[in-house]
Amino acid sequence: QVQLQQPGAELVKPGASVKMSCKASGYTFTNYNMHWVKQTPGQGLEWIGAIYPGNGDTSYNQEFKGKATLTADKSSSTAYMQLSSLTSEDSAVYYCARGDYDGGFAYWGQGTLVTVSA
Amino acid sequence: EIVLTQSPTTMAASPGEKITITCSASSSISSSYLHWYQQKPGFSPKLLIYRTSNLASGVPTRFSGSGSGTSYSLTIGTMEAEDVATYYCQQGSSLPLTFGAGTKLELK
Repeated sequence: QVQLQQPGAELVKPGASVKMSCKASGYTFTNYNMHWVKQTPGQGLEWIGAIYPGNGDTSYNQEFKGKATLTADKSSSTAYMQLSSLTSEDSAVYYCARGDYDGGFAYWGQGTLVTVSA
Repeated sequence: EIVLTQSPTTMAASPGEKITITCSASSSISSSYLHWYQQKPGFSPKLLIYRTSNLASGVPTRFSGSGSGTSYSLTIGTMEAEDVATYYCQQGSSLPLTFGAGTKLELK
C-alpha cells in the first residue's frame, strides 16, 4: 500500500532553515509528482509546489519561490523540502502528497509540524 | 490563479439531515480536475470525491458530488456524527493548484 512517511515535528529558530523529508513506499517513486502543501489555521491549505522525481523537474507557487526548495532522492524514494529564512509566519503543518494525473491527491503524509521559535 | 470560494464557511446539521456545500471557481474548470477532501482534527486531508463525482475508495455512498464549469457541490445525503469535519474543494486544472477555504461541518 502507498505510504508517505514524514517526521512529526521540527522546532527551528527564526532566521534558520529546515529540511523536511517525505519517504515514499508502495509505488514507483519516479512515476508520480510529489506535492507539498502548507496548512495554517488562518490560511487553510496552500499549495507550495511539486517535484517530479523521475527527472527532478519542479513547479512552485509564486508565493513560495525563494522560500521553498524541493528535491528528491531516487535511491531512497524520499522527497525533501527545504524552507529558508524562517519566520513565525512559516510555523505550520507541512504535508507531502502524491499527485495524481488529474491534479488531485489520493495519498498524503501525516504532516510535519514546524514551529519557528527562539 | 483560480480562486475557489466555498459556502457556507461553517454549518451545523442534525443526524439524518441532507447537507450541501458549494464551491465556486473564479474561472471555468474541467470537471475532471475538481476534487473534494475531508479533514478531521489532527489528521491529514482525505480524498473524498475525485473528478467532481467519483467516490474515493471506502467513502460511504451517502456522499456525492456534482457540478461543471465554475459551480460545484458536495452533498451528504443523510448526516451522520462521523461526518463532523472540515471539507475542502481543490482544483488540479491549472497552476498554482488551489484549495477552497474550507467548510466546517458540526453536529447540531
